[in-house]
Amino acid sequence: AQKVTQAQTEISVVEKEDVTLDCVYETRDTTYYLFWYKQPPSGELVFLIRRNSFDEQNEISGRYSWNFQKSTSSFNFTITASQVVDSAVYFCALSETNSGGSNYKLTFGKGTLLTVNP
Amino acid sequence: NAGVTQTPKFRILKIGQSMTLQCTQDMNHNYMYWYRQDPGMGLKLIYYSVGAGITDKGEVPNGYNVSRSTTEDFPLRLELAAPSQTSVYFCAIRRRENSPLHFGNGTRLTVT
Repeated sequence: AQKVTQAQTEISVVEKEDVTLDCVYETRDTTYYLFWYKQPPSGELVFLIRRNSFDEQNEISGRYSWNFQKSTSSFNFTITASQVVDSAVYFCALSETNSGGSNYKLTFGKGTLLTVNP
Repeated sequence: NAGVTQTPKFRILKIGQSMTLQCTQDMNHNYMYWYRQDPGMGLKLIYYSVGAGITDKGEVPNGYNVSRSTTEDFPLRLELAAPSQTSVYFCAIRRRENSPLHFGNGTRLTVT
């Protein structure tokens, strides 16, 4: 069965610190997709990034970067120079392949609550 | 949010009452999903649909029913509300397999 583990339940940092959110996954699929979502205090769920299992290049988008390591089944998310507006719950998710080979469903981790203090 | 509208935003139900959570999209996406979010538990899939007339159970379908008679609408029905169904419910759409999910703003349901 697919599984996504976000071991850090809560993280608290001071503004301008760098912070890394961990995501470890389990899957028997050879082809799969990983996602990160952000849920700010207002409650909506915002898509941040998608990565497929064939692309192990790290990705950077402004202050955000993602490190995908297939060898350790991890897809970690780093925020550089954190800001108060980064305070949110962050979810990692894994696409799930059914017996027919279709990727219909996403399995989510339990999320990490990041608090950035001024 | 990406053309996904959920109604109502909030609702309080008494135990045993029934209600329908509405989800409508204007993106013409085939894939639609219902998730529930409980504190500290992430999102759990209730039901999903890959097109009009096709629905399937997710991880936690008990106590819920869905239908998908049109591409646009994917209502979630609670027949006999129970306190365990107190949660925030999110509807989501997806353009194709492996595309990102795009979520509605959620419905906060309390059953007392």
